[in-house]
Amino acid sequence: GAGVSQTPSNKVTEKGKYVELRCDPISGHTALYWYRQSLGQGPEFLIYFQGTGAADDSGLPNDRFFAVRPEGSVSTLKIQRTERGDSAVYLCASSLTGAGAGYEQYFGPGTRLTVT
Amino acid sequence: QQQVKQSPQSLIVQKGGISIINCAYENTAFDYFPWYQQFPGKGPALLIAIRPDVSEKKEGRFTISFNKSAKQFSLHIMDSQPGDSATYFCAANYGQNFVFGPGTRLSVLP
Repeated sequence: GAGVSQTPSNKVTEKGKYVELRCDPISGHTALYWYRQSLGQGPEFLIYFQGTGAADDSGLPNDRFFAVRPEGSVSTLKIQRTERGDSAVYLCASSLTGAGAGYEQYFGPGTRLTVT
Repeated sequence: QQQVKQSPQSLIVQKGGISIINCAYENTAFDYFPWYQQFPGKGPALLIAIRPDVSEKKEGRFTISFNKSAKQFSLHIMDSQPGDSATYFCAANYGQNFVFGPGTRLSVLP
């Protein structure tokens, strides 16, 4: 079956512009996560959705970052007034259920964002 | 307290050798410890995971050793192969909170 897909695979934007990154989770997965991975680092948690609601957005670095998941499936990460420091790979992951520990997260290939 | 430390940063091993990557954590609330493998241009993929009620878990050539009192865990790759060349991340989890280590770039020479 299809895995987690993310579009676009690469995005180059100018400083100050607005960008949207899309994630299509595995069908039926209720839990969805966004991570940011800087060069040479591990993924850094941004936000977690259970269904349509953001259950934990404590990892969003500031109010320029926002994410939605209006129908409990596809999610969009939105970044306003982009800065060069936002350049990173943005990873999306989904899981069958977010309840309890030990469930597997399936990661997408990521969107590489470059802010010039 | 949320940090997961990982070493070495990079590792070069001959084909057939043993690769060992170490991780340490502080937060005793963590109750699930997965290892992920990541190839260039791909997202991380779960390799093997352990809960703190066991000291070792083996799956094929991959073994996790877990020391709860020391708050340390390690990944051993036996009979390392060139196809194992990738970046490996340890992680620690409780609830929905996953904290990743900075990664180890493994190169297995043919």
